[in-house]
Amino acid sequence: DAKTTQPPSMDCAEGRAANLPCNHSTISGNEYVYWYRQIHSQGPQYIIHGLKNNETNEMASLIITEDRKSSTLILPHATLRDTAVYYCIVQRTGTASKLTFGTGTRLQVTL
Amino acid sequence: SAVISQKPSRDICQRGTSLTIQCQVDSQVTMMFWYRQQPGQSLTLIATANQGSEATYESGFVIDKFPISRPNLTFSTLTVSNMSPEDSSIYLCSVEQGGDAEAFFGQGTRLTVV
Repeated sequence: DAKTTQPPSMDCAEGRAANLPCNHSTISGNEYVYWYRQIHSQGPQYIIHGLKNNETNEMASLIITEDRKSSTLILPHATLRDTAVYYCIVQRTGTASKLTFGTGTRLQVTL
Repeated sequence: SAVISQKPSRDICQRGTSLTIQCQVDSQVTMMFWYRQQPGQSLTLIATANQGSEATYESGFVIDKFPISRPNLTFSTLTVSNMSPEDSSIYLCSVEQGGDAEAFFGQGTRLTVV
């Protein structure tokens, strides 16, 4: 599976959009970009995933560049409850959930 | 979505002893996984728990240290054997459900070895 690179930490003011970047320059054509988050003392939670098109759900939006070498997770209106470590993971759907977690981005949402 | 219950939620154990962690899912699932999260670190996959056959271990993890059972499609156990302080971690159970391979995680078992 391709590796990912994320900034170690980011801050965001409550109510603002949080834009979390991820680089995955070695991604293969059949690999998807997944985002999970881990709130303190909880198990990871699935957020969103995509292949090449931008995706949106009730939690977030995922923007994937045309060359698929990077992506951005957008939390449109961050709240204090969005404070967590966010993991960008690249994997082939169908390989089951053998997830390879990187170090992630620690997002701190502040008042 | 799948609801996963892990027991115990936390424990403090003496070195040299063993602890068995249980993972119960509210529906039948094909794949179950065990992860370890060492203090301040990310998650690392220990093994895939296969129903009806031996677990598949990742590099660096062995059956003698982390024996796994998977008696049916809703339940699995992970045993941490002959524990040392280095085994102090959060152990998490995960399952896959559905064609999109979205993973669901339990709340984890926080283990401290003294």
